[in-house]
Amino acid sequence: SQELEQSPQSLIVQEGKNLTINCTSSKTLYGLYWYKQKYGEGLIFLMMLQKGGEEKSHEKITAKLDEKKQQSSLHITASQPSHAGIYLCGADSGGYQKVTFGTGTKLQVIP
Amino acid sequence: DAGVTQSPTHLIKTRGQQVTLRCSPKSGHDTVSWYQQALGQGPQFIFQYYEEEERQRGNFPDRFSGHQFPNYSSELNVNALLLGDSALYLCASRDGPGAPLHFGNGTRLTVT
Repeated sequence: SQELEQSPQSLIVQEGKNLTINCTSSKTLYGLYWYKQKYGEGLIFLMMLQKGGEEKSHEKITAKLDEKKQQSSLHITASQPSHAGIYLCGADSGGYQKVTFGTGTKLQVIP
Repeated sequence: DAGVTQSPTHLIKTRGQQVTLRCSPKSGHDTVSWYQQALGQGPQFIFQYYEEEERQRGNFPDRFSGHQFPNYSSELNVNALLLGDSALYLCASRDGPGAPLHFGNGTRLTVT
């Protein structure tokens, strides 16, 4: 079965700093999703990447997919307290395409 | 346009009891998946329903069962509750393979 490993597990940054979260898959990535979760709440969809080399941006968040490395990265520029939360990557596992999730990266942004 | 809605939001049960959680998918979505998220962990796939049938199942015992109704809403049933079943249960829907999942806010189940 597919496994997704995220790094780092947690991150504390000063407001205004840039940061990167990585997601590495044990198998070929067919579709990669990034979500954000506030504690105890549901997951909010951020972006979906489907092709190797694909890069998408939304406001100050950019995600890239490296198909050969079976890896995706999420980069936040000039972090703000509103960026705080848990970031999760998810991947389609083929077949009926259940989505498997990583363990998450907890981000704290200090004002 | 309502998103995914789940009920109840919180639930406290005793070991050995049974529980039913409910989910209404986002309008136009026909596929519903259920996830269990323990504290500090990523969501774990329980099962997926499409056209009222369980299409795929994760590594969960038979105590976990579900149902999908003709209007695409779904229920998750857990029998013989254990302390380890305490978790946030998330329902998600999508409008086809390869489309992103849309999540509800979850049901927080506490088993005492």
